[in-house]
Amino acid sequence: SQKIEQNSEALNIQEGKTATLTCNYTNYSPAYLQWYRQDPGRGPVFLLLIRENEKEKRKERLKVTFDTTLKQSLFHITASQPADSATYLCALDHFGNEKLTFGTGTRLTIIP
Amino acid sequence: DAEITQSPRHKITETGRQVTLACHQTWNHNNMFWYRQDLGHGLRLIHYSYGVHDTNKGEVSDGYSVSRSNTEDLPLTLESAASSQTSVYFCASSELSSGWAGELFFGEGSRLTVL
Repeated sequence: SQKIEQNSEALNIQEGKTATLTCNYTNYSPAYLQWYRQDPGRGPVFLLLIRENEKEKRKERLKVTFDTTLKQSLFHITASQPADSATYLCALDHFGNEKLTFGTGTRLTIIP
Repeated sequence: DAEITQSPRHKITETGRQVTLACHQTWNHNNMFWYRQDLGHGLRLIHYSYGVHDTNKGEVSDGYSVSRSNTEDLPLTLESAASSQTSVYFCASSELSSGWAGELFFGEGSRLTVL
C-alpha cells in the first residue's frame, strides 16, 4: 500500500542552526511533493512544491530536495528562529490523481 | 481578499445526531476537499469535488456525505454521528490543474466532539 512517513514526530533544534526534516514514501509513482506548515489550532499553510524532475528548490531560508531514487524529500530551514516552531507536513501526489496524501507531520521546536 | 471559511469552529453533539459542517471559499476554485486530522494519523481525505455536482469518496468516507451545488460551498454531513468521528475537520480548495491537485488553501478547521 502507499505510504508516506515523516520519520520524526518531534525535533528540537537550537536557534540559528539548520533544521532538517525528512519525508519518505513508498509505492508511489514519480510525483510531485508539497510541504506545509501548521501552527496549533490553525489550518496548514502551503510552503513549497517540488516536482519529480527537480532536484532542489529554495525559498528564502527554506530548501527542499527530492530524490526519486531514494523516494525521499528533505526539508531544510537555515538560520532557524523560534518563530519557525510549528508542525511541518509533507504531501504527495502523482499525475492524474488530483488529490494530496499527507504524512503525519514533524513537530519542530526551535530553542532560543 | 479571497478566503476559505469553516463553520462552526467548535461543535459538541451526541451520538446518532446528524451534523453538517460548512465550508465556503471565495477563491473561485473548482477543487474542494474535506480532511480529518487525528493524532497519529495526520490528515486523511474524506471526500472531494472537482466541480459543481461532482463528488468523490476519499480514503475514510464511511459515515460522511457531501454535495456540491455551487462553486463556493462543500458542506460535509455526518448522517449519524459516532464517537469515532470526534476529530478536527479541515476543508481545503485548489485551482483546477490538469492532472494535479495543486496548492491547497485550508480553512481554520472545525473541531467536532461526539459524546
